[in-house]
Amino acid sequence: ETGVTQTPRHLVMGMTNKKSLKCEQHLGHNAMYWYKQSAKKPLELMFVYSLEERVENNSVPSRFSPECPNSSHLFLHLHTLQPEDSALYLCASSQEGSGRAWNPAAGELFFGEGSRLTVL
Amino acid sequence: QKEVEQNSGPLSVPEGAIASLNCTYSDRVSQSFFWYRQYSGKSPELIMSIYSNGDKEDGRFTVQLNKASQYVSLLIRDSQPSDSATYLCAVKIIQGAQKLVFGQGTRLTINP
Repeated sequence: ETGVTQTPRHLVMGMTNKKSLKCEQHLGHNAMYWYKQSAKKPLELMFVYSLEERVENNSVPSRFSPECPNSSHLFLHLHTLQPEDSALYLCASSQEGSGRAWNPAAGELFFGEGSRLTVL
Repeated sequence: QKEVEQNSGPLSVPEGAIASLNCTYSDRVSQSFFWYRQYSGKSPELIMSIYSNGDKEDGRFTVQLNKASQYVSLLIRDSQPSDSATYLCAVKIIQGAQKLVFGQGTRLTINP
């Protein structure tokens, strides 16, 4: 396997279900991300795990819960979602610089194919 | 003001012509700029990046960065139908933790 792989590719769930999205990167990167892509809206950054530190978008509801057990794996746990949460969820990875040195190439994201989520 | 702005299009260009896509950003201290291409039903893929003022060329693609005016553009020469996609501009914003902020994308259609 190469690149960034996401499972499942498609998920339909009810509002009371609990499910998880999984992402795995095989690029040796040290940062992983969850983005949400809705129709006619910009890609929205939900969570970042970079250099073992978690950064989150404060506008993301608590019904989304990320987990990053190591630098290669990332999960997004879903609980009591709403129909408006239906979207394409994209995982990405990148190689970030450490310390204060500016790394211009940092931020070149490599995306997985996405998990298309439908909440009924 | 949005952090990264693009004209959502759709932009229609005849085959063989130059397609010009523009992007403006609000954060004056941004240092890294990226263009991603996203085909329908697929995930974004990086096609060009630029870090300093001026032009950068790669094959049929040219990226132009003007930090004083806070815009970055993508030119596609000799446009092909296979270039039809949504093009996403992304800017690295430094606010504590660095993050990549995307514009909403410009949908480009190349007409044979």
